[in-house]
Amino acid sequence: SQKIEQNSEALNIQEGKTATLTCNYTNYSPAYLQWYRQDPGRGPVFLLLIRENEKEKRKERLKVTFDTTLKQSLFHITASQPADSATYLCALYNFNKFYFGSGTKLNVKP
Amino acid sequence: GAVVSQHPSWVICKSGTSVKIECRSLDFQATTMFWYRQFPKQSLMLMATSNEGSKATYEQGVEKDKFLINHASLTLSTLTVTSAHPEDSSFYICSALPGQLNEKLFFGSGTQLSVL
Repeated sequence: SQKIEQNSEALNIQEGKTATLTCNYTNYSPAYLQWYRQDPGRGPVFLLLIRENEKEKRKERLKVTFDTTLKQSLFHITASQPADSATYLCALYNFNKFYFGSGTKLNVKP
Repeated sequence: GAVVSQHPSWVICKSGTSVKIECRSLDFQATTMFWYRQFPKQSLMLMATSNEGSKATYEQGVEKDKFLINHASLTLSTLTVTSAHPEDSSFYICSALPGQLNEKLFFGSGTQLSVL
């Protein structure tokens, strides 16, 4: 079966540190992978997209890597802030549909 | 950026009644809209893909007679939960894909449905 796995345990880090979240998938060959942020009781908000032929993508304090051999994406937030606290979801685009991981909750402590 | 409006934000209903949820794209035309369901601390589960002017495509295990989807215009899709039961209580979220080449999903704010 097709799976998208994210660490279900919350990630707790200190303000100013780099947060690294992992997304692993099986049985997909996605054209691209995306990361979204979701706050409680709200819909997800798009953050970054990385294509299968790209190794790394950056946007301000965010960095995403994509290893199609390992079937893994890493999402980094540098110089983290309490305002970065949220659940982060990875999503794969496959056969005209978007499939989401369960998300990892990030807690940035001041 | 593109805005997707979803209403209502929350609804409480009695078992056996039907509930309609609206999803509107406010500043763009959405040829495709997706409906997701989310349980607490779980993933977004894709329920169906809604294409303007055609029948929705439902994911395996989703009852099309239970969850009626209508995409009558390029800016409006509706999800009707028919004869709702307590097990239908969940967070429902719509999302829209502007145009054919746009690769970003824009989400509504979600609807929390509680069936008593």
